[in-house]
Amino acid sequence: KAGVTQTPRYLIKTRGQQVTLSCSPISGHRSVSWYQQTPGQGLQFLFEYFSETQRNKGNFPGRFSGRQFSNSRSEMNVSTLELGDSALYLCASSLSTSGSGETQYFGPGTRLLVL
Amino acid sequence: QKEVEQDPGPLSVPEGAIVSLNCTYSNSAFQYFMWYRQYSRKGPELLMYTYSSGNKEDGRFTAQVDKSSKYISLFIRDSQPSDSATYLCAMSGVSGSARQLTFGSGTQLTVLP
Repeated sequence: KAGVTQTPRYLIKTRGQQVTLSCSPISGHRSVSWYQQTPGQGLQFLFEYFSETQRNKGNFPGRFSGRQFSNSRSEMNVSTLELGDSALYLCASSLSTSGSGETQYFGPGTRLLVL
Repeated sequence: QKEVEQDPGPLSVPEGAIVSLNCTYSNSAFQYFMWYRQYSRKGPELLMYTYSSGNKEDGRFTAQVDKSSKYISLFIRDSQPSDSATYLCAMSGVSGSARQLTFGSGTQLTVLP
């Protein structure tokens, strides 16, 4: 079974621009979560989508948004990029039959550099 | 204070050594405990998954959870150079904001041949 895939793998943007990242979960997985990983803050939860609805949200500004499609694929968008948004953005998928305690499987991440 | 505290290391051990990695946490709502391994420039890979207190063994890896002390551990026996990576503890609860995974900062491990 194919793992979680993320595109693009690397991205360079300038301040003020916006960016869209894509995630395809493992086949059959209905929940997709997004995380930001930086050397200073570690792995931080952005949001979780299940059945095209945002089910949980972390403490990030409204510039960070996401959506999920009917095939469970998900996108996240960051508008008005700031230098501090440079990070590895990770997507994780899970079966999410109960909505809690689910094993999450991570993709390879998208490395975003904001200049 | 962070909800999950993890010694960042770095930790360097000779091949064949027993490695002990630890995390402490403050949120009593956490019920599910995980260890992930992350190689440089890769996504985290799930190593161990434990529900509530107790021990779980998988090959050279043993995970322990002590909910009364809010303390979890990962032991690696007969460590190999291929175990060199960053190890992240993660945990979650069953409802509300605790349902999301909360990670430790990660411990960087190097196993020397």
